[in-house]
Amino acid sequence: QQKVQQSPESLTVSEGAMASLNCTFSDGTSDNFRWYRQHSGKGLEVLVSIFSDGEKEEGRFTAHLNRASLHVSLHIREPQPSDSAVYLCAMVYQGGRALIFGTGTTVSVSP
Amino acid sequence: DMKVTQMPRYLIKRMGENVLLECGQDMSHETMYWYRQDPGLGLQLIYISYDVDSNSEGDIPKGYRVSRKKREHFSLILDSAKTNQTSVYFCASSLVNYAEQFFGPGTRLTVL
Repeated sequence: QQKVQQSPESLTVSEGAMASLNCTFSDGTSDNFRWYRQHSGKGLEVLVSIFSDGEKEEGRFTAHLNRASLHVSLHIREPQPSDSAVYLCAMVYQGGRALIFGTGTTVSVSP
Repeated sequence: DMKVTQMPRYLIKRMGENVLLECGQDMSHETMYWYRQDPGLGLQLIYISYDVDSNSEGDIPKGYRVSRKKREHFSLILDSAKTNQTSVYFCASSLVNYAEQFFGPGTRLTVL
């Protein structure tokens, strides 16, 4: 079965510093990867969807995809305390049928 | 305002009781999903519905069933709930396969 691994499990950054999160997947058959943010007790909010190797920017969030190395990353530029949340990467699989999620990275942004 | 709603938001049941979780969306999306989220496991897909009365098992369907009689509503049913079904349940919807999924706020279910 497809697997998605995230690292680190948790991350503390200072406000204004760059935050970097990583995700590796078990094979390169998917062409559709997403990063979601989940504030405590809330639903999931999509941040970036990326479909091809390279970089995709959405505001302060930039995703990098390298399918050859089975890796997708998320960089948060100038993080703010309101960015403190769990960040989940997800891969579309089974012909677009559904998503398989990583277990998440908890990000804490200190003022 | 595009939205996915879930009711109830919190629910406590005893083992063996029946559970009904409701999900609604106002976007006329064809595809709807039920996931559960557990610590250390992330979100796992329980069921997908491609449209009214067109449902398909996800990765962990055992112990659950679903009902979709109207496009905007998708229900998750637990017949005789078990303690290991304690979890946070998320509903999502998307226009079609591959399209962006919109998530509801979740239902926290505790089975005692």
